[in-house]
Amino acid sequence: EVQLQESGPGLVKPSQSLSLTCSVTGYSVTSNYWGWIRKFPGNKMEWIGHITYSGSTVYNPSLKSRISITRDTSKNKFFLQLNSVTTEDTATYYCARPNYGGRFDYWGQGVMVTVSS
Amino acid sequence: DVQMTQSPSYLAASPGESVSISCKASKSISNNLAWYQEKPGKANKLLIHSGSTLQSGTPSRFSGSGSGTDFTLTIRSLEFEDFAVYYCQHYNENPWTFGGGTKLELK
Repeated sequence: EVQLQESGPGLVKPSQSLSLTCSVTGYSVTSNYWGWIRKFPGNKMEWIGHITYSGSTVYNPSLKSRISITRDTSKNKFFLQLNSVTTEDTATYYCARPNYGGRFDYWGQGVMVTVSS
Repeated sequence: DVQMTQSPSYLAASPGESVSISCKASKSISNNLAWYQEKPGKANKLLIHSGSTLQSGTPSRFSGSGSGTDFTLTIRSLEFEDFAVYYCQHYNENPWTFGGGTKLELK
């Protein structure tokens, strides 16, 4: 069974970078697409972007200038880096698998990240 | 961006009842719509994709309908395990966007 698990710091200072890892088991990151989504306090959800099986990336235009999604195929993990964070980036971050054009069929349980000094 | 307007935000019902949740897109998204269930401590679950196709493992009491701009998730004969938060999401174009969520509560 496909399983995803997010990890990373729960607290990041404003202007710094947020770095998260998604560990995947049961499926190769070189197959399919793998992505990130976040849920803000108040429950608004936002798609961040994804990395394809070939390693190319697709980002939400609203975040494109600040984000990078990469992967380590040897460890079967993929990563999110969000630069120049502000308090508005405080959210629960999820990794998930967008399948067949964009429906997320597997999700991690999410990691809460707070941006605060 | 395509705005997804989900209603109602809150819904109270009892086991055995049927409920419907609406999701309206600001422009046509064909049938590129998914519905998810969110429960505390669990990974989000894909219930329905392509507007009306049940994901493998989704109970048959769930159904989805609609295309273009108007979509509906219906749950018939509610069971206790169905009380959760539900989201719609379109994947017709970049950026993919989500509805604001509907919290289904026990009456």
